[in-house]
Amino acid sequence: KQEVTQIPAALSVPEGENLVLNCSFTDSAIYNLQWFRQDPGKGLTSLLLIQSSQREQTSGRLNASLDKSSGRSTLYIAASQPGDSATYLCAVRKRDNYGQNFVFGPGTRLSVLP
Amino acid sequence: EPEVTQTPSHQVTQMGQEVILRCVPISNHLYFYWYRQILGQKVEFLVSFYNNEISEKSEIFDDQFSVERPDGSNFTLKIRSTKLEDSAMYFCASPGSSKETQYFGPGTRLLVL
Repeated sequence: KQEVTQIPAALSVPEGENLVLNCSFTDSAIYNLQWFRQDPGKGLTSLLLIQSSQREQTSGRLNASLDKSSGRSTLYIAASQPGDSATYLCAVRKRDNYGQNFVFGPGTRLSVLP
Repeated sequence: EPEVTQTPSHQVTQMGQEVILRCVPISNHLYFYWYRQILGQKVEFLVSFYNNEISEKSEIFDDQFSVERPDGSNFTLKIRSTKLEDSAMYFCASPGSSKETQYFGPGTRLLVL
């Protein structure tokens, strides 16, 4: 059974810092991995999607990497801003079909202080 | 990002009552998914549904849960006899133009008293 973990559980940084969030998964036979953002009491917003054949994806100040063989992904946030404060979730999918669900990690709660 | 909508945004119910949560997925898509998130815990998969049939389900999705597509644009999650432990945020999700990802609705916060 796939298990996804994330460290740290919480992180507090001053504005402007670069930071790295970590995600690990136990079964390396994944189809893709996705990073989501969740604001308190809200839904999930997709940030970056990495296919199993890819090693990284970039969007603005965000960069996600994937090392499938070691079961790890990182989300790098450059020049953090208070508006980045949220919980960041990592999720993996096993198979290449519509019915396949995401398996989520517990998230990293990020606070960026002005 | 494509929009998935859910109603109601909040619902409070008494233990043992039936609740129906509604979702309008991205238009014309026949797949949708339900997830739940108990406060402070992980987002957990409940069920995926395709063209009026359950595609996959988790061990959480027991006999007290059911999913339906009552009309062409709505999908519902019914909990027949709610328990205190059903209190959670319930999210529906819909694929986009490809099967690569899923777009999540804003959620329904269910509180069972």
